[in-house]
Amino acid sequence: DAGITQSPRHKVTETGTPVTLRCHQTENHRYMYWYRQDPGHGLRLIHYSYGVKDTDKGEVSDGYSVSRSKTEDFLLTLESATSSQTSVYFCAIGSGGDPHEQYFGPGTRLTVT
Amino acid sequence: ILNVEQSPQSLHVQEGDSTNFTCSFPSSNFYALHWYRWETAKSPEALFVMTLNGDEKKKGRISATLNTKEGYSYLYIKGSQPEDSATYLCAPWAGNQFYFGTGTSLMVIP
Repeated sequence: DAGITQSPRHKVTETGTPVTLRCHQTENHRYMYWYRQDPGHGLRLIHYSYGVKDTDKGEVSDGYSVSRSKTEDFLLTLESATSSQTSVYFCAIGSGGDPHEQYFGPGTRLTVT
Repeated sequence: ILNVEQSPQSLHVQEGDSTNFTCSFPSSNFYALHWYRWETAKSPEALFVMTLNGDEKKKGRISATLNTKEGYSYLYIKGSQPEDSATYLCAPWAGNQFYFGTGTSLMVIP
């Protein structure tokens, strides 16, 4: 299994509070991704990173920010959590090679009450 | 944003039946096509990465084909087993990010 961990694995928070999810990899892969999983929508990309301090928006980036100060860590921040951000969040890493392979972390279940 | 469609949305088959699903994507934005297997309460696992028109990959009873000119890929499962029950996702790689379909949920009935 690819060395990807996510923390926390479960979190319950109140509307309006800030939340930070962490993704940590031991594979030294260049690409890292944050997705959310919602019924009827499958996996949707929030933000991704193609290197340290290099990030870009995905399909559903509103209300989220990211940071990548080290190769191994990719942080996802909800500045002011809303109930619509209740979801399961998956981090993934990508080799950047040809073909570009992607491996997923175990997921974080976030509930915003 | 690429519009990726998978059909059918869900499927129930008897153990031993063979089955197949379809992934459709815009052929003009294609670099590679990934298939994932996603079991409930787990994270998606890579099945195949396909890059060439006419590409065919096989892993045990599962195989996949790719047509980049018309923008579709088929996933086949021969002799379905209960352990094949999962959601199967396809995701075209557009050069900088993946675009996931909503998946085909397969239930194999013993």
